[in-house]
Amino acid sequence: AQSVTQPDIHITVSEGASLELRCNYSYGATPYLFWYVQSPGQGLQLLLKYFSGDTLVQGIKGFEAEFKRSQSSFNLRKPSVHWSDAAEYFCAVGRSGNTGKLIFGQGTTLQVKP
Amino acid sequence: NAGVTQTPKFRVLKTGQSMTLLCAQDMNHEYMYWYRQDPGMGLRLIHYSVGEGTTAKGEVPDGYNVSRLKKQNFLLGLESAAPSQTSVYFCASSLDSMGQFFGPGTRLTVL
Repeated sequence: AQSVTQPDIHITVSEGASLELRCNYSYGATPYLFWYVQSPGQGLQLLLKYFSGDTLVQGIKGFEAEFKRSQSSFNLRKPSVHWSDAAEYFCAVGRSGNTGKLIFGQGTTLQVKP
Repeated sequence: NAGVTQTPKFRVLKTGQSMTLLCAQDMNHEYMYWYRQDPGMGLRLIHYSVGEGTTAKGEVPDGYNVSRLKKQNFLLGLESAAPSQTSVYFCASSLDSMGQFFGPGTRLTVL
């Protein structure tokens, strides 16, 4: 079955510390991978996406993610977290020609300590 | 460009009442989607559309109907609301498989 797992429901980091949010997927086809961010009371905003090529992708707000096919993972990273990064983060998987449908993980809530 | 807009932003219904949520996009996207978001469950696809006049069921379609009479609009209907439909509803659109654009959401409470 196709699925996305975000093992960490809640993460707390100190401002200025590095961040890594985990995402594992189970998908039969070559996946398209996405990270979205949702601030409280807002819709989802696309942070970055991976389709093919370089396995390290850069996104907005200083985020990056690395696709590791052997580990079925697409972890999100940021070298130095800012208080404004506190939000919920969703990993999602899709594929080419699939009507654009995505499967979302359950989300990881990031809290940033001053 | 307004992107994806949703109407209304908030709504409270009594059990058994009906309502329609409106989603509009001005990006000329073919694909549109309705999700519901519940705590700890991520986003679950209710219905989607691959073009004007077409709709299809998603993961949790029961109790909902949709229509896509115009390319830019995607309506989600609840014929007889139930407390289990209390949720935040998001609409999204996409041009292809390269990522979806989301609206701001509608918070629905069914008493």
